[in-house]
Parts: sequence; structure tokens; C-alpha cells
Amino acid sequence: DAGITQSPRHKVTETGTPVTLRCHQTENHRYMYWYRQDPGHGLRLIHYSYGVKDTDKGEVSDGYSVSRSKTEDFLLTLESATSSQTSVYFCAISDSNRGYQPQHFGDGTRLSIL
Amino acid sequence: DQQVKQNSPSLSVQEGRISILNCDYTNSMFDYFLWYKKYPAEGPTFLISISSIKDKNEDGRFTVFLNKSAKHLSLHIVPSQPGDSAVYFCAASDGNQFYFGTGTSLTVIP
Repeated sequence: DAGITQSPRHKVTETGTPVTLRCHQTENHRYMYWYRQDPGHGLRLIHYSYGVKDTDKGEVSDGYSVSRSKTEDFLLTLESATSSQTSVYFCAISDSNRGYQPQHFGDGTRLSIL
Repeated sequence: DQQVKQNSPSLSVQEGRISILNCDYTNSMFDYFLWYKKYPAEGPTFLISISSIKDKNEDGRFTVFLNKSAKHLSLHIVPSQPGDSAVYFCAASDGNQFYFGTGTSLTVIP
């Protein structure tokens, strides 16, 4: 299994509070991704990174920010959490963003915002 | 708009029979298609992929077929086993991002 660790695995918090999710990899892969999974929507890309300090937006980036100060860590921050951000969040890594190189996923973070 | 669609939310198949999972896409610029399998409380794991220049790729019990003119791909699992019970996502790449379908929950009945 690819070395990807997401923390925390579960979190319950209140609307308006800041939340940071962490993705840590031991594979030295260049690309890192944050997805959210919701019923009826599958996996949707929030942000991705193609190198240290290099990030770009995905299709559902509003309300989220990311940072990557080291190759191995990719942080996802909800500055002021809303109930619509209740979801399961997955981090993924890849050596390339081309399709021939599949992504490897972490086990997810279940986030509930009350 | 969803660029990758899986119109069947669920599928039940008897053990030993064939499972066929379908996926449709809208973007003709997709150059790779992938299937992932997901068990509860785990992340998706890569299963099999196919390049847009091919129409079939096989790996053991798993075969993916691509029909570019119809913008349709399918995953065949033969023979189906109870351990195949999971959610299957198809995904497509445009060389920049990956786009995922909504998933099909497969149940293989012993």
C-alpha cells in the first residue's frame, strides 16, 4: 500500500470554526490531491498540488484553502466551516497527473459540521 | 455538469456470474480511463485502466472495454466473487485532472 496517512480520521466541529486536515505521504510523489465524497456526487476535486508551494484549484474549491510547504505534507483548511462542508475527505498522491499513472488514496477523514 | 456518469447506483450478481459495470462520459479529450474499487471506511484503490487509443484491456478476472464513438466504457468481472462486493468508481483523465463518476455499488451474492 502507498504510504498515505490522513489525520484526523474523524472530526466533529461547529459551524464557523476553522478546520485543518492533514495528508502525509512517504512516497515522495510530486502530485497531491484533496477530494470530497458526497452521495450522488462521487469524488470531486477540491485542490491539488504539483510541487512544494505549487497548488491549483479543482471544481469545488470555494471555502477551502491548501498549503504545501514540504513534499510530504498537504494541508486542507476550512477557514470558517459550514454545514455544507460535512463530507468525507480523501487525499490522493501520484507521480504524474497523466492518466497512465493512477492515484493512490488515503483512507479518508469523516468531517461533520454541526 | 458531470463529465463522467455512472447511471446505475447499484448492481446485484450471483457468485460465479459476470458483473458488468457501465460508465459514460462527455468529454472527447479524455485520454485515459480508470476504474477504482472502494470498500467501506477505506480509500479507493486502483483496479484497471485503459488508454483512449485502445478498446480493451484485461487483467485477470477484470476487463475494461472502451467504445469511443459511444463515449462509453464498461468493466467486466468474470467470475464474480463475494469479495468483489464494493463500490466501483470510473474515472477519466484529460491530462490535467481526474474526473470521477458517482459510483456503482456491486453486491455479489454467494
